[in-house]
Amino acid sequence: GAGVSQTPSNKVTEKGKYVELRCDPISGHTALYWYRQSLGQGPEFLIYFQGTGAADDSGLPNDRFFAVRPEGSVSTLKIQRTERGDSAVYLCASSPSGSADTQYFGPGTRLTVL
Amino acid sequence: GENVEQHPSTLSVQEGDSAVIKCTYSDSASNYFPWYKQELGKGPQLIIDIRSNVGEKKDQRIAVTLNKTAKHFSLHITETQPEDSAVYFCAASWGNYGQNFVFGPGTRLSVLP
Repeated sequence: GAGVSQTPSNKVTEKGKYVELRCDPISGHTALYWYRQSLGQGPEFLIYFQGTGAADDSGLPNDRFFAVRPEGSVSTLKIQRTERGDSAVYLCASSPSGSADTQYFGPGTRLTVL
Repeated sequence: GENVEQHPSTLSVQEGDSAVIKCTYSDSASNYFPWYKQELGKGPQLIIDIRSNVGEKKDQRIAVTLNKTAKHFSLHITETQPEDSAVYFCAASWGNYGQNFVFGPGTRLSVLP
């Protein structure tokens, strides 16, 4: 079946602009995660959804970052007033249940802020 | 919160040799430990995982061992092949329901032909 997909694969923006990154999880997976991966590092947790609600957003670095999952499937990560330090690969993962369960990752969106 | 350390950061082996990557974690409540392989330009792919109620799990050339007392777990790859070259990440679950993962910093494995 189809895996986790993310769009766009690459996004280049200017400092101060607003960006949206999209994630399509595996059908039927109730849990959805966003991670940020900087070069040479492991994925860093940002936010976790269980269904439509953000069950844990403790990893969001500041209030410029926001994510939604209005219908419990597709999710959008939104970054306002982008800064050069936001440049990274943003990974999305989905999981059947979310409780110590296997996470399946998408290919990521590489965000570059000039 | 949970903290995961991973060693070595880089590892080079000859084709056919074994490779071992070790991770330690800090939260004794963690109960699920997956290993991911990440190739250039791709997302991490699960290769094997282990839960805290077992000490070892094997899948063909790949095995994982877990020592809960010492809070460390290891990935073992035997008969390495050039296509095993990638970055490997360990992770540990944490949180009230084990819903969050903390990843190690990764090990870049190079298998030399």
